[in-house]
Amino acid sequence: GAVVSQHPSWVICKSGTSVKIECRSLDFQATTMFWYRQFPKQSLMLMATSNEGSKATYEQGVEKDKFLINHASLTLSTLTVTSAHPEDSSFYICSASEDEGGETQYFGPGTRLLVL
Amino acid sequence: AQSVTQLGSHVSVSEGALVLLRCNYSSSVPPYLFWYVQYPNQGLQLLLKYTSAATLVKGINGFEAEFKKSETSFHLTKPSAHMSDAAEYFCAVSLLYNQGGKLIFGQGTELSVKP
Repeated sequence: GAVVSQHPSWVICKSGTSVKIECRSLDFQATTMFWYRQFPKQSLMLMATSNEGSKATYEQGVEKDKFLINHASLTLSTLTVTSAHPEDSSFYICSASEDEGGETQYFGPGTRLLVL
Repeated sequence: AQSVTQLGSHVSVSEGALVLLRCNYSSSVPPYLFWYVQYPNQGLQLLLKYTSAATLVKGINGFEAEFKKSETSFHLTKPSAHMSDAAEYFCAVSLLYNQGGKLIFGQGTELSVKP
């Protein structure tokens, strides 16, 4: 149980285009979803927390207009990287929790984004 | 503010040897603590978690961790390393009480297992 999927697993795009990444909880309802960014050989940095039906809460320093997050249902959250640039290239990982407090987070497999 | 420090960015052990990955935390409230494992180009898998019950926590794949409040530590151990244990390990503290369950991760420790 507690499986989280991400799509796509790999994406290459041109600078200036927008990219949408989906995060789905497959066998549970995710009250809370989290989006992380991970640079090579580094730890995960929380970008934002989203609760179903409400606006995402962004961490300090994360541009909300750059990284659009939508949590439209209890099983789906999307992260859209708008007008992507090479510095946005990274590994993006989502996680989902069944409870509002997010006691246990289940992580997706990650999406590797390369902006040319 | 809560924080996590993992001592040693890289640990190397021989197959069959004891695995010890160190984690110290800082928290103003009783913490929830987690260990996750990440294999290359994959997401994170939960190994075990401490949520204020038993101080010795057993997880998957033979790993366990002991919460020591006096030492503010939550070190991860496994009696006998296996080649398949080679991966990146992250310790994390949950800001459960007033931050909506956000996880703060340590820097990570890469475990290598030599044959």
